[in-house]
Amino acid sequence: SQQGEEDPQALSIQEGENATMNCSYKTSINNLQWYRQNSGRGLVHLILIRSNEREKHSGRLRVTLDTSKKSSSLLITASRAADTASYFCATAVSGGYQKVTFGTGTKLQVIP
Amino acid sequence: GAGVSQSPSNKVTEKGKDVELRCDPISGHTALYWYRQRLGQGLEFLIYFQGNSAPDKSGLPSDRFSAERTGESVSTLTIQRTQQEDSAVYLCASSTYRGNEQFFGPGTRLTVL
Repeated sequence: SQQGEEDPQALSIQEGENATMNCSYKTSINNLQWYRQNSGRGLVHLILIRSNEREKHSGRLRVTLDTSKKSSSLLITASRAADTASYFCATAVSGGYQKVTFGTGTKLQVIP
Repeated sequence: GAGVSQSPSNKVTEKGKDVELRCDPISGHTALYWYRQRLGQGLEFLIYFQGNSAPDKSGLPSDRFSAERTGESVSTLTIQRTQQEDSAVYLCASSTYRGNEQFFGPGTRLTVL
């Protein structure tokens, strides 16, 4: 089964609104990363939050991590049409090397 | 500097043929990963390289799949006797250190007829 699962699977909002995506995982992690994918091709790294951090900001992105609940959320504020993409969380765990496992993704559509 | 590149960008092949997919990682990146993504699905881990050794091949779906890497540079993913279920986008990523940010290539879209 997937280590990381995003929720919701799909999200449609109006431009200017905020978008929140959640990620749940099963085992202890070293860090959690969020990626964006446009048009089914290469992913772009957005932000990395370590297991000892609770919140991190980058521009219009805000990521929180709750290790007790094994969950993370990605908030995109003041969304733009260009934010339309699939968003994946990825968890890094130790086990010989830090294996990174990707979730199933949230498909975000921002309507102009 | 240049990002991760993959070639070809698209490959159409007939069932039963062998295909070779290439990945050029960012210079200096010791870690390299291959993933498979079927249409509308998440990323499926295939193999991880640290340098030119592959400590984790657990994601390779069958013995028809193999990969190699030359030093800390080019990697090739080979699929022998392709099947229709092999149709997917194959993504390569590299990073400076295991578990850190991964830089992805644009992928190779493989279609097996």
